[in-house]
Parts: sequence; C-alpha cells; structure tokens
Amino acid sequence: NAGVTQTPKFQVLKTGQSMTLQCAQDMNHNSMYWYRQDPGMGLRLIYYSASEGTTDKGEVPNGYNVSRLNKREFSLRLESAAPSQTSVYFCASSEQGANTEAFFGQGTRLTVV
Amino acid sequence: KQEVTQIPAALSVPEGENLVLNCSFTDSAIYNLQWFRQDPGKGLTSLLLIQSSQREQTSGRLNASLDKSSGRSTLYIAASQPGDSATYLCAVYGGATNKLIFGTGTLLAVQP
Repeated sequence: NAGVTQTPKFQVLKTGQSMTLQCAQDMNHNSMYWYRQDPGMGLRLIYYSASEGTTDKGEVPNGYNVSRLNKREFSLRLESAAPSQTSVYFCASSEQGANTEAFFGQGTRLTVV
Repeated sequence: KQEVTQIPAALSVPEGENLVLNCSFTDSAIYNLQWFRQDPGKGLTSLLLIQSSQREQTSGRLNASLDKSSGRSTLYIAASQPGDSATYLCAVYGGATNKLIFGTGTLLAVQP
C-alpha cells in the first residue's frame, strides 16, 4: 500500500544549489502533479503531467523543471535554488475522469538558506 | 483561469457544534470536486469526492454538496469533535485544462 512516495522528506539547500525531488506512484495513474504549499496560500500547482511523455506548466512554474520519466515517476528539479523556493512540496497522482480521487505523498520540506 | 476560494479562512467552534465550510469556484466546467483534510505537518487525506453529475456525498458525519451551476460546494460536519481539528481544502478537477486546482483552505479548531 505504498501509494505516492516522495523523497527526500526534508532538505536544506544553499542559494544557487540544485536538487531533484523524486516522486513515484504505484497505482498506475496517468496524471501526476507537483504542488508547493506556503502559509495562507493553499496548494499552488507548479507542473503537471496528464500522461507519460507530456508535461505542462501550472500556476507557478518559474524556477522549476520536471521530467515524467515513465508512468510511475515524476521528478521536480530546482536548477538554482532561491530562498523564495522555501516551501513544502507535494506530489500527487490521479486517474483522468469524473470519478477519480487524487492521492498525495507526505511532502518534502525544503529550506533554502 | 479557474480560481477556487474558501471561506472562512479560519474557524473555531466548541465541541458538539454542527458547522459548514464553503468552497466556490469560477469555472463551472468541472469533472469533480474533492474535499481533503490536512493535519499539521502531514500530507492530504481525501475525505469526499463529488462527481459533476452528483449533488452530494456523505461519509459518516461529513456531508458535501455541489451546486455546479453556481460554482459552490459546502462541507457539513455534524457533531464536531476535537479530532476534527485540521485544515480542510477543496479542489476542483477538470475544466478546459484538466488540472486539479486547490482553494486556500479553512483552518478548523474544535475546542473541547
């Protein structure tokens, strides 16, 4: 019953460093998402992937890149981290259609100093 | 562009009270709406999903309604308990872009 697995759970970066957040799901879902959550702002969509091989920008894509490596995995890369990217990052997956729940990972708490 | 708003931003009630959380959205061309619960420092747990063709869904003490034409949903919590204290988020899926878009959440505190 793994569901959606994110790694790492915590990370501290220095300004300008790069890193990749990993996400994998074992539910054979087509759609995967990356969100960031900041105090008082709910979850904001960074990028999403409707199916393997496709990605599209969300509300706040600047400073991020993504890769849909295969159906299971969707990674988020920060090429040059900035303090404004300090946040909690969530990955989610779902099927497409009206009767589809979205499932979330436990989050990655990222601090950029 | 789909925008989702939740009112109130925060709510504090005494134990046992019935309460209503509100969610509104601007683009009514949705496939479904979900309500989630988030405990501090944790991920999101799905509570209820309402398809666009449905009017309401119930799970235990929770009842969610959907009025797609007016762009509104409510989450009704009956006989609230301190264990219900959490942030509640609504999210809509579908519209022109097939994205899952969230509201800003309601922070609920149920006082014993």
